[in-house]
Amino acid sequence: AQSVTQPDIHITVSEGASLELRCNYSYGATPYLFWYVQSPGQGLQLLLKYFSGDTLVQGIKGFEAEFKRSQSSFNLRKPSVHWSDAAEYFCAVEPEGGNKLVFGAGTILRVKS
Amino acid sequence: DGGITQSPKYLFRKEGQNVTLSCEQNLNHDAMYWYRQDPGQGLRLIYYSQIVNDFQKGDIAEGYSVSREKKESFPLTVTSAQKNPTAFYLCASSHRDRPYFGPGTRLLVL
Repeated sequence: AQSVTQPDIHITVSEGASLELRCNYSYGATPYLFWYVQSPGQGLQLLLKYFSGDTLVQGIKGFEAEFKRSQSSFNLRKPSVHWSDAAEYFCAVEPEGGNKLVFGAGTILRVKS
Repeated sequence: DGGITQSPKYLFRKEGQNVTLSCEQNLNHDAMYWYRQDPGQGLRLIYYSQIVNDFQKGDIAEGYSVSREKKESFPLTVTSAQKNPTAFYLCASSHRDRPYFGPGTRLLVL
């Protein structure tokens, strides 16, 4: 079945440490790929997106993501985490030729000082 | 300021009651979407509309209804047939490549 998987429900990192959040998808063709962030009780904010071209995508707030076709992955990274990055992060996929987003279950990021 | 507004922020429903969640956008987007969010399940698509006067069911449409009479508006009605309506509801709109999300409405059952 087509799906989006975020294998980590919770991740805790120290402030200043690096971060990688994992995302895998099971669609056959290369879909459009997104990462969103959500603070408690708020809507979703787009961090970055990949449609085609360079597989390393830069986003807002110092985040980047790398698309790896061979691994069907689109992992989110940040070299140095700030306390304000604590939130829930969602990977989303828009299948090629499709017109709706499919979301992973989310990863909750906690930052310890 | 362009964006998506959802109202109310909190909504309470009594048993057997229909309630309507509002979603308005001034981004001139053709496509609009309703998602339901439950803890640990991510977002699930309820309904979406690609154009005025047309909409399609998403993955969990049972117990919900929508209308799209105007490009700017895509209200969602949670009917009494929806047995577990307590959730956070997010509206989104998109044009070409960037879906925008509203701030959400939290629905609680009394």
